[in-house]
Amino acid sequence: QQPVQSPQAVILREGEDAVINCSSSKALYSVHWYRQKHGEAPVFLMILLKGGEQKGHEKISASFNEKKQQSSLYLTASQLSYSGTYFCGTAHTSNNDMRFGAGTRLTVKP
Amino acid sequence: NAGVTQTPKFQVLKTGQSMTLQCAQDMNHEYMSWYRQDPGMGLRLIHYSVGAGITDQGEVPNGYNVSRSTTEDFPLRLLSAAPSQTSVYFCASSYGVGPGNEQFFGPGTRLTVL
Repeated sequence: QQPVQSPQAVILREGEDAVINCSSSKALYSVHWYRQKHGEAPVFLMILLKGGEQKGHEKISASFNEKKQQSSLYLTASQLSYSGTYFCGTAHTSNNDMRFGAGTRLTVKP
Repeated sequence: NAGVTQTPKFQVLKTGQSMTLQCAQDMNHEYMSWYRQDPGMGLRLIHYSVGAGITDQGEVPNGYNVSRSTTEDFPLRLLSAAPSQTSVYFCASSYGVGPGNEQFFGPGTRLTVL
């Protein structure tokens, strides 16, 4: 079952902050975050695992609330290069059956 | 390293035709997968493989076949193309098996079925 992302779209000015949320109806084993620019492949941002382990880029921060079955991606002091569509992917077991949300389109304006 | 490569970049098929989308990686990754991406629906997993000789179905496997004869290659076969298979197809790979490993995506193949 696909996770639900919110908001669907957000427009920021450079320097502003944004939070993108990802919710699941089932208990989560891991959450992945990827960014995709128009016409390009998704690029890895972060993985959050059950139990608290995180892997990702230093400038990206995210949270994982196992109890609420939610994850949030925090984008601070946004830059023009942050523009793109952000996807969360969720896995509910240790196998590889990952489900992706519909995406959040982020636009950063000068 | 070339990373994950996909061919062709664009393809137009007629309904009923068959074809194979190629995917290769040179990173010695165990795990490989195929996704399709449709507008407003994100990425949907078609098939995946946890190693040579091992494949499994994902969320939307109908109409597609895969095989994994080598670690490097993971082709996706469309048996009899239908307009509903018009989509962008991404191949991805990761070093380890399991959802704790980041996936590296190929550049995609844009397929149109008329």
